[in-house]
Amino acid sequence: DAKTTQPTSMDCAEGRAANLPCNHSTISGNEYVYWYRQIHSQGPQYIIHGLKNNETNEMASLIITEDRKSSTLILPHATLRDTAVYYCIVPWGGNQFYFGTGTSLTVIP
Amino acid sequence: GAGVSQTPSNKVTEKGKYVELRCDPISGHTALYWYRQSLGQGPEFLIYFQGTGAADDSGLPNDRFFAVRPEGSVSTLKIQRTERGDSAVYLCASSPYGGGGDTQYFGPGTRLTVL
Repeated sequence: DAKTTQPTSMDCAEGRAANLPCNHSTISGNEYVYWYRQIHSQGPQYIIHGLKNNETNEMASLIITEDRKSSTLILPHATLRDTAVYYCIVPWGGNQFYFGTGTSLTVIP
Repeated sequence: GAGVSQTPSNKVTEKGKYVELRCDPISGHTALYWYRQSLGQGPEFLIYFQGTGAADDSGLPNDRFFAVRPEGSVSTLKIQRTERGDSAVYLCASSPYGGGGDTQYFGPGTRLTVL
């Protein structure tokens, strides 16, 4: 069952920040939010995950609202290589991922 | 270190044949997952192993699909009497423990084409 809602597609200018939103209004208190991306013909690539606090790593930042019903993935300086499908996932069951169709991000030169 | 590997990278078979797809997880990872991705769709969960046992096989579409992980490391996804609708990319992932907050790392996938 889908636990997340994402826009189908987004564009971002090269060098600008890409902000990808995700709604997960039914998330429960101990469920994590994961972000993956998939570049054409490759396996999904882990980006970041979080529970309550905002997180940052070398790839991106994850901002989770205080009520945890939504989050935003931020790619601070988008490059052409960031063009991909981005998936926001809240695992169900033990650790099963439901990917949905994600957001297709196109970085424009 | 070495990531998740899958073999073969491509497999072409004829309708009705039997195929086996192999997954080598990251060394030491106890949890292993299989997903299937059809063209234009996101990956779809098939089965989850915790060690040697299938903890959840609810995603397997029918009894033609079966997976094993006999020694808690390498896993094989087996498809009997293949059908054209089985054509897809089959993805494998592994994670250290399998619990909440555990990150799954994916392999490159096996592209299966059933003629």
